Amino acid sequence: GENVEQHPSTLSVQEGDSAVIKCTYSDSASNYFPWYKQELGKRPQLIIDIRSNVGEKKDQRIAVTLNKTAKHFSLHITETQPEDSAVYFCAATSPSSGYSTLTFGKGTMLLVSP
Amino acid sequence: DTGVSQDPRHKITKRGQNVTFRCDPISEHNRLYWYRQTLGQGPEFLTYFQNEAQLEKSRLLSDRFSAERPKGSFSTLEIQRTEQGDSAMYLCASSGTSGRSEQYFGPGTRLTVT
Repeated sequence: GENVEQHPSTLSVQEGDSAVIKCTYSDSASNYFPWYKQELGKRPQLIIDIRSNVGEKKDQRIAVTLNKTAKHFSLHITETQPEDSAVYFCAATSPSSGYSTLTFGKGTMLLVSP
Repeated sequence: DTGVSQDPRHKITKRGQNVTFRCDPISEHNRLYWYRQTLGQGPEFLTYFQNEAQLEKSRLLSDRFSAERPKGSFSTLEIQRTEQGDSAMYLCASSGTSGRSEQYFGPGTRLTVT
């Protein structure tokens, strides 16, 4: 099945800096890659996603890039703010399930200091 | 609130007891997923339904776990003869099948087995 690796496990930045979180996946047939933000004690919230037919997608301060050849994708957050502090999870679809289920990385705890 | 809802939010039970959780998906979504999340990990897929049909079950889902979605709307997840290792957050998510795969999560049910 699919395997998703996520790095780093923790990331500390100063307010206003950029943050980058990277993920790799194992199955070249995966075609959908969402990112979720989970604040302490709350549900995972979908913040951005990308499909395999595009290389980059932006939404205000966040962007995701995809390199299908290398089988990795990244989340970029610019002008970070304290409210960006949370755990971020990347995920990929599992072709073995008909692209229906998600395999998640282990998460990155982002801490933005004022 | 038109999002995914779960009940109860917290459940404390003694080892060996049975527990049942409920999930109500977003009303127009016909796919419903169950995931389990332990501390410091990403959500792990357990099972999913399209309408009332259970289409996939993870190898993580032991015989003590059973899920139903009898009318294609809400779903229940039952754990029989609970073990301490079952302690986790049980998350439900839903999605449509119109070619868009975004999954939206509920707030979860936190199970503690003592």
